[in-house]
Amino acid sequence: SYVVTQPPSVSVAPGQTASITCGGNNIGSESVHWYHQKPGQAPVLVVYNDGDRPSGIPERFSGSNSGNTATLTISRVEAGDEADYYCQVWDSSSDDVVFGGGTKLTVL
Amino acid sequence: EVQLVESGGGLVQPGGSLRLSCGASGFTFRTSAMHWVRQAPGKGLEYVSAISSNGGSTYYANSVKGRFTISRDNSKNTLFLQMGSLRPEDTAVYYCARGPLVVLGGYFDHWGQGTLVTVSS
Repeated sequence: SYVVTQPPSVSVAPGQTASITCGGNNIGSESVHWYHQKPGQAPVLVVYNDGDRPSGIPERFSGSNSGNTATLTISRVEAGDEADYYCQVWDSSSDDVVFGGGTKLTVL
Repeated sequence: EVQLVESGGGLVQPGGSLRLSCGASGFTFRTSAMHWVRQAPGKGLEYVSAISSNGGSTYYANSVKGRFTISRDNSKNTLFLQMGSLRPEDTAVYYCARGPLVVLGGYFDHWGQGTLVTVSS
């Protein structure tokens, strides 16, 4: 089955830009979706179809996807952005959904 | 406002059964594929099962195939997950989630708060 890989952790100072990657074989040909999850809460969709934002998600959240890497970028990081972030891909050949292992974003 | 409310979790012995429910409101349930995703304590997200809007297509992860059955009652806006032959490794918070399509695939735009299933003797 398809495998996607995320770094376990990313740290960033408030006001700076955080980039969280999601690697996979030719992932640029897939649609990648991103969720954040705060402790004790359900995941929340923050970016879908590589770079679209659901209503209510700040413009600070953006996504890109090309080649073997998809990236979630969070601009002007705030303390409230501290969470686990997961990328997700749907494998159309098997109907399987694949999640990355998650990246813990720490705001210093 | 879209709301998904799971229920039915609890403590069950290995080999036992449990039925989870997910009540939906705030959207046209019968036009959305629905999904179950679980998260073991301290671990990441794992896709479990899915059902198309009319119930005609289903999907199961290999880890639960043959033991779990997904179903839905569109007249009652409710999603179910019948879990059998439960194992300790099935211990997790189970989330129901809405898909944006009538068919399987895509992403999950709304999630319930989750229900904890603990498999232990």
